[in-house]
Amino acid sequence: DTAVSQTPKYLVTQMGNDKSIKCEQNLGHDTMYWYKQDSKKFLKIMFSYNNKELIINETVPNRFSPKSPDKAHLNLHINSLELGDSAVYFCASSQDDRDRSSYEQYFGPGTRLTVT
Amino acid sequence: TQLLEQSPQFLSIQEGENLTVYCNSSSVFSSLQWYRQEPGEGPVLLVTVVTGGEVKKLKRLTFQFGDARKDSSLHITAAQPGDTGLYLCAGDNAGNMLTFGGGTRLMVKP
Repeated sequence: DTAVSQTPKYLVTQMGNDKSIKCEQNLGHDTMYWYKQDSKKFLKIMFSYNNKELIINETVPNRFSPKSPDKAHLNLHINSLELGDSAVYFCASSQDDRDRSSYEQYFGPGTRLTVT
Repeated sequence: TQLLEQSPQFLSIQEGENLTVYCNSSSVFSSLQWYRQEPGEGPVLLVTVVTGGEVKKLKRLTFQFGDARKDSSLHITAAQPGDTGLYLCAGDNAGNMLTFGGGTRLMVKP
């Protein structure tokens, strides 16, 4: 069974369009995330969403908006797509393990977004 | 901003060789995680180290957390082609946002 799944796997679209990427986790985790991985493979956190609390990375443009219909889903909506948005977007989830002060994360397979 | 620097960025070795990847920061982390990512897939967690000076072994992989919890290393003994991939370290500052290093791309040639 897939723990963290994302759709679509590939997304090719034109500048100015609005698109969404869906993410679902069946691990029962409390926290979900969106990451962006650029062409140099640098992985950067975009959002963290836990129990309806959204933590936003301040460097993320407000064209990006996460939406969580329930604890198992965190979708990413992107408005007015730009060329620089081309990257691989990863969804992840974690279960807060306060005893070990660790947030081990489980990643989805990624969505490769290409903006032309 | 907490930064994690990984070195080397690229490493190409022959099967059977040993290697070490370093992850360094000027910040203290509550824990540090190592992930491995293969092309077209998401990162997969290898190990979490929590205590300063902690050493964990995973078959031929040995992970160490620095005494001051600012740095970590990954040592691979007798590397195999199956070890090829992108190795990422990630620091947790007791929040719920990980800071990732830039990654080390390892290629092990048969």
